[in-house]
Amino acid sequence: TQLLEQSPQFLSIQEGENLTVYCNSSSVFSSLQWYRQEPGEGPVLLVTVVTGGEVKKLKRLTFQFGDARKDSSLHITAAQPGDTGLYLCAGQHNNAGNMLTFGGGTRLMVKP
Amino acid sequence: EAGVTQSPTHLIKTRGQQVTLRCSPISGHTSVYWYQQALGLGLQFLLWYDEGEERNRGNFPPRFSGRQFPNYSSELNVNALELEDSALYLCASSLGGGRNQHFGDGTRLSIL
Repeated sequence: TQLLEQSPQFLSIQEGENLTVYCNSSSVFSSLQWYRQEPGEGPVLLVTVVTGGEVKKLKRLTFQFGDARKDSSLHITAAQPGDTGLYLCAGQHNNAGNMLTFGGGTRLMVKP
Repeated sequence: EAGVTQSPTHLIKTRGQQVTLRCSPISGHTSVYWYQQALGLGLQFLLWYDEGEERNRGNFPPRFSGRQFPNYSSELNVNALELEDSALYLCASSLGGGRNQHFGDGTRLSIL
């Protein structure tokens, strides 16, 4: 079983603060995706990383894939209330038939 | 571009009944994935269809089944419903490679 552990599970911060969410596994992934899900909606794809050490930026969000492709992080700079939501990491193994293995999620609340 | 669409949005059933959920992928996507998001269990992979064939299934009993039609839309069927089947059922689609899976908003299934 390929497991993805996300931390922290819950995070409540004030507007303007920075935060980092971690996604760790003992397995190597061919790619890793980050999603954000809001209540009553499906997950929305934020980014896909595929190369060890890769860093991608999406406005105030920075995503990094570990050198060994076993872990990833999401850093948000100057968080805003609109960043509130459930953040999910999901890894893919090509030899597992394209399925995504999801982490348990990080529920972020940004207070104004 | 229209996203992944799912129907119905909500369903209420009783134990032992059968249910069919529907999914239309993004135009041009040939792969459809089904995931279950149950409270406290996170997102779990159910089924993957590509080019009309079932390619992989997760650790779910055979009463969970489905199919993919020539237009790439898909159905998920669940027989002999049990209380623990209460969950949000999410459909995702992608191009053949499986990366960048895009999700619909799901069908909320409640079993009484």
